[in-house]
This record gives sequence, structure tokens and C-alpha cells, in this order.
Amino acid sequence: GAVVSQHPSRVICKSGTSVKIECRSLDFQATTMFWYRQFPKQSLMLMATSNEGSKATYEQGVEKDKFLINHASLTLSTLTVTSAHPEDSSFYICSGNNPGTENYGYTFGSGTRLTVV
Amino acid sequence: AQSVTQLGSHVSVSEGALVLLRCNYSSSVPPYLFWYVQYPNQGLQLLLKYTTGATLVKGINGFEAEFKKSETSFHLTKPSAHMSDAAEYFCAVSARGNTPLVFGKGTRLSVIA
Repeated sequence: GAVVSQHPSRVICKSGTSVKIECRSLDFQATTMFWYRQFPKQSLMLMATSNEGSKATYEQGVEKDKFLINHASLTLSTLTVTSAHPEDSSFYICSGNNPGTENYGYTFGSGTRLTVV
Repeated sequence: AQSVTQLGSHVSVSEGALVLLRCNYSSSVPPYLFWYVQYPNQGLQLLLKYTTGATLVKGINGFEAEFKKSETSFHLTKPSAHMSDAAEYFCAVSARGNTPLVFGKGTRLSVIA
């Protein structure tokens, strides 16, 4: 089945530094990648939608200059948390989608636990 | 716009008992409906999905769900709970097309020995 590989699974960084999270679709072309954020014991909240080769569309309240999303190819999308602060500590999950295929569905990465100290 | 309501943030059942997790949705267009399971510090695993066709959908690990348009529901069931079913379960909806999933708040399932 479709697989999205997300790295790193865990990262601890100092306040003020930047962190890059990668999501790769291994056996399908993710024309669209959705990025979610999940706080402890809460649901997933959509941060942004990125289509290959286009600028990402951010949800209201999400700072596009802080959460940089790149989707330069059909198999790779990245989320960079710039100048991270403790309030950015969260669980980040990507989801790749290729609705043009027969197996319509959303394939999730395994998530990245970001801790900013 | 789409939305999902999961009734019960926490459900507790005995091992071997019926599991019933409730999900109601709202959608302005015919929906795609999904159930995911999440174990601590892990991503989401798809249990089952409804897109078109048969309204009773069978998924992995013995779970199934029935799409009831008249009730705008997509409840998840399993005849006999196993200890390994203890996890967080999310119901989600999307509009047909390349739109993001909208998640419910989740239901934590506990299984008591």
C-alpha cells in the first residue's frame, strides 16, 4: 500500500533555532500534501495544504513565515519551523494524497514530535 | 463545509464486549468518511473508509462501519474487543475531491481485562 515516510520522528531543539521535517511518498506521487498539528490529547488541526510546484495555502491563524512549506517534487514535501519557541512544541503529521489514482485516500506519515527547549 | 462530531471522548469496554464508537458528520456534498486509529506518539493508521458503493464497510482488525445518510452517521463497531484495541480513534470527513480531512475530536477506547 501507499507509504509516507516522515523524518525525524523526534527532535529536540533550542529556542530560536529552525527545524526541518521531511515527508516522502515512497510508492505513489503525492500531488497534494496536508500538514497537521496535534497538541496532547487533542485532535489534528490542519495547518496548510501544499500542491506540488505551488505555494502552500495556510489555514487562518497559521503564520506562513514561521512554518515554511516546500513541495518541490511529487514525492517530497518539507515543513520548516523557523525560530522555534516552546509554544511550537507539538506533534506534526503530514498526509499525502493523490486523488487521481484508483486507491483514493490519505496516507499519513508517522509524525514528528517537536520539543523546543 | 464539513464537520465531524464524535460522541464520547472516552469509551471503556470489557475485553470481549462489543465496541461502538459514534460519529456524526455534516457535509454540504456527498462525503468521503474515514476512521483512523492512533497509538501513543504514532501517526494515524487507516481502519476503513467509505467513498461510494456498499454502505457497510469492513476494515482491518475486525472493525466495520455503516454509512447512514439519513442519520448522517458513520459509527464504528467491532463485535469483540481485544486489549490491543485500546487507542485513540478519529472519525474524519472530506468532500469529494482533493480537499483536506476534517477530524473529529477523537475517542479514547479503553479495554478492561
